[in-house]
Amino acid sequence: EIVMTQSPVTLSVSPGGRAALSCRASQSVGSNLAWYQQKPGQAPRLLIYGASTRATGVPARFSGSGSGAEFTLTISSLQSEDFAVYYCQQYDIWPPLTFGGGTKVEIK
Amino acid sequence: EVHLLESGGDLVQPGGSLRLSCAASGFTFSNYAMSWVRQSPGKGLEWVSSITGIGGRTFFTDSEKGRFTISRDNSKNTLYLQMNRLRADDTAVYYCAKYSDSSGHSNFDSWGQGTLVTVSS
Repeated sequence: EIVMTQSPVTLSVSPGGRAALSCRASQSVGSNLAWYQQKPGQAPRLLIYGASTRATGVPARFSGSGSGAEFTLTISSLQSEDFAVYYCQQYDIWPPLTFGGGTKVEIK
Repeated sequence: EVHLLESGGDLVQPGGSLRLSCAASGFTFSNYAMSWVRQSPGKGLEWVSSITGIGGRTFFTDSEKGRFTISRDNSKNTLYLQMNRLRADDTAVYYCAKYSDSSGHSNFDSWGQGTLVTVSS
C-alpha cells in the first residue's frame, strides 16, 4: 500500500498570503496524483490532476507541482473561499487508492 | 452537468445490512468507472470500493472484502454498495465518486453530496 503523508496538518495564512502544501508518497507514483479541496459540510472538489493540471473552473492561483514521490500544492494569493481542507490522492498503484491525511488551511 | 445523488444511508445496528445507491446523470454512465469513498466523523477520506465501466471489474480494500459488494446498473445509471455485517467503525458519510475514465486508473472528477451511515445499537 502506498502511504501518502501531508504536511503540515494545519497551515495558518493571512488573506492574500501564499500557501504551500506538501504531499509525500511512500514510493514513486509518477504524476498520478490529484488534489482535492473540501469545505465543511461539503463534498470534496477536484482541483488538480496529473500532479499539475488544473481542473475545469479552478482559478489560476492554484498550482500543482512535483513528480515521483514529492508534490506541492501552492495557493498564490489566498481568498476567503480558499480556507478549507486539502487532500492529495495517488491513483498510480491500487488497490488500495490512498489519500493523504489532509492539510487544513485556516485564517491567520 | 454531472450530478451524483446518493441515498440509502441510515442508522443500523451492528451486524446489520444496508444498501446505498447513487443515481447518476449528465454523462454516459457506462463509460466511466465509479467508486465509493467514505469519511468518518472529523476524519479524512478513505477509499472503499471501485467498479470499472464496461465489464464491471470490482476492487475493494482488504477490510471490506467479503462484507461489501459494489455493483452498477448501467440501464438505470445507478451505482450501488451493499454493506453487510456492519461495524461501528463503518460509521461515516459515504460519497459516490466518478472517475475521469472507464478503467479507474485516473482521478475522481465529480463527487456526490454523500449519505450518512451510522452503525450503533
